[in-house]
Amino acid sequence: AQRVTQPEKLLSVFKGAPVELKCNYSYSGSPELFWYVQYSRQRLQLLLRHISRESIKGFTADLNKGETSFHLKKPFAQEEDSAMYYCAISSGGSYIPTFGRGTSLIVHP
Amino acid sequence: DVKVTQSSRYLVKRTGEKVFLECVQDMDHENMFWYRQDPGLGLRLIYFSYDVKMKEKGDIPEGYSVSREKKERFSLILESASTNQTSMYLCASSFVLGNTGELFFGEGSRLTVL
Repeated sequence: AQRVTQPEKLLSVFKGAPVELKCNYSYSGSPELFWYVQYSRQRLQLLLRHISRESIKGFTADLNKGETSFHLKKPFAQEEDSAMYYCAISSGGSYIPTFGRGTSLIVHP
Repeated sequence: DVKVTQSSRYLVKRTGEKVFLECVQDMDHENMFWYRQDPGLGLRLIYFSYDVKMKEKGDIPEGYSVSREKKERFSLILESASTNQTSMYLCASSFVLGNTGELFFGEGSRLTVL
């Protein structure tokens, strides 16, 4: 069974500080990993996926198969980054994702 | 832009009532999903459907059923609502062929059961 763990319910930082939202997963095959974001009063939307190796809104995430992690990072947080972030995993080909419990990021001015 | 529309943003129902939550997508997606979103518990999959009249149970199907009579529409049904079904319900859809793995979500339906 695939499982995602986001150990932090809440992460609070000041503007300009680095941010790292942790995500660990368990899956025996080759997983697909995603980060979704939900801003206040907006719908949940995809932020980035590991297979794209892209940077979105300054965020990056590297898949570390040895540590089974997919942490989301940004070097300098902005107030508009305040949101709920969900890590998700799906098995290659099925695309039925399992979501973590989410981390609420608050960026203070 | 992909649009997933949930017909009711807010509902208040009484224990024992039958509840219908409707979801429509306009991108000809094969897959449709119903998730439940609760603080501290994240998103949990209730049911999904990969084709018309096809459905599969997710992680928490108890107390729920679904209907997919048309490709664009996926309904979640609570036969007899209970207070522990008070929650935010999210509908989502995605492609099968050429799937990148991205789910497209609706705005959510917040259900309160009294």
